[in-house]
Amino acid sequence: GQQLNQSPQSMFIQEGEDVSMNCTSSSIFNTWLWYKQDPGEGPVLLIALYKAGELTSNGRLTAQFGITRKDSFLNISASIPSDVGIYFCAGRGHGGSNYKLTFGKGTLLTVNP
Amino acid sequence: GAVVSQHPSWVICKSGTSVKIECRSLDFQATTMFWYRQFPKQSLMLMATSNEGSKATYEQGVEKDKFLINHASLTLSTLTVTSAHPEDSSFYICSGKPGAGRNTEAFFGQGTRLTVV
Repeated sequence: GQQLNQSPQSMFIQEGEDVSMNCTSSSIFNTWLWYKQDPGEGPVLLIALYKAGELTSNGRLTAQFGITRKDSFLNISASIPSDVGIYFCAGRGHGGSNYKLTFGKGTLLTVNP
Repeated sequence: GAVVSQHPSWVICKSGTSVKIECRSLDFQATTMFWYRQFPKQSLMLMATSNEGSKATYEQGVEKDKFLINHASLTLSTLTVTSAHPEDSSFYICSGKPGAGRNTEAFFGQGTRLTVV
């Protein structure tokens, strides 16, 4: 089946620093999504990408859909303590949003005040 | 955004008993609902996809007779873990997708922590 490699597995940064994380796939995806999950909660969608090469921002967050369709990255600028959490990438191989997502293993972000 | 609510948020049950988890879309109709399982420090693993009024489609390796999914209405899906065992202890998360729009993504519930003792 489809697999996503997400890196880094964890990051420890100082408040105010920028953060970058990425996901790569062995196969092509038609949709890339980025989620944040707080402890004991469900994931919350941050950014959705539907076209190869697409670059989308949501506040301090920016994500891009790789031109090869096999990768995506998420950047967080000027991190703040509330950015702490686990960030997951997710991809969809074909079809619309009725089709299943494959999730990466997550990036645990810790921000030191 | 749209709200998906799960109940209960956490449950402890004895080994061998059954547990039902509810997933409700509060302000939209969810034609498709997804059920995931997440072990500690792991990713979300899709268990099954259900469409209202149809039988659920289970992922490979997920026992449909053990994890019973019912999607009887456009706002409610239930997951019943039958004859639960300690290895079923996990965080179960549902998501519901509004009916319209190819690129309308599903909204996740807050999850249910199941502990089987």
